[in-house]
Amino acid sequence: SQQGEEDPQALSIQEGENATMNCSYKTSINNLQWYRQNSGRGLVHLILIRSNEREKHSGRLRVTLDTSKKSSSLLITASRAADTASYFCATESYNQGGKLIFGQGTELSVKP
Amino acid sequence: ETGVTQTPRHLVMGMTNKKSLKCEQHLGHNAMYWYKQSAKKPLELMFVYNFKEQTENNSVPSRFSPECPNSSHLFLHLHTLQPEDSALYLCASSQGGDDSPLHFGNGTRLTVT
Repeated sequence: SQQGEEDPQALSIQEGENATMNCSYKTSINNLQWYRQNSGRGLVHLILIRSNEREKHSGRLRVTLDTSKKSSSLLITASRAADTASYFCATESYNQGGKLIFGQGTELSVKP
Repeated sequence: ETGVTQTPRHLVMGMTNKKSLKCEQHLGHNAMYWYKQSAKKPLELMFVYNFKEQTENNSVPSRFSPECPNSSHLFLHLHTLQPEDSALYLCASSQGGDDSPLHFGNGTRLTVT
């Protein structure tokens, strides 16, 4: 069953601009994770935010979590052409037997 | 490199063939996973192994048969597949337990003709 839904499905921006992707989910969670996938490659873990955390940073990445709205956002600042990839949110919860459930992803295109 | 190696990278097989996908992790992790990624669909969890024991079979058809001989190796045996089984098959590993991110291989692109 699908838990996370990303929005938008596709996003195209210019290099240097910020990119914001959103994820909504349905049930209570233990944590929410963001992954990145370059074309033809596997997924790479970016950041994990626990249910009792509201914001986390890692380099140019900023993730927020609002458990009251059951939503999260991923902000990439000062984007680069190399950030072009698909970005997925995934939720882990006891309701799901501890399994990680992925959304359909946002395709980000950063034009030089 | 991700620490998780999948072979082959590409596989084309007929519906009557038998083939196997291989995954090896060099991270000392205790859990290994098979995921299926089809176009325009979320990743689908297929199987989970913890300490070589299968702990999850997500209603996967019996034409997919996993094997985990040890904590570092995972196989997916394929036989009499259907064209709709064409997809990217991703292997992943993790430490197991709460808050353990997944480490993915680069996948096997499978085409069933």
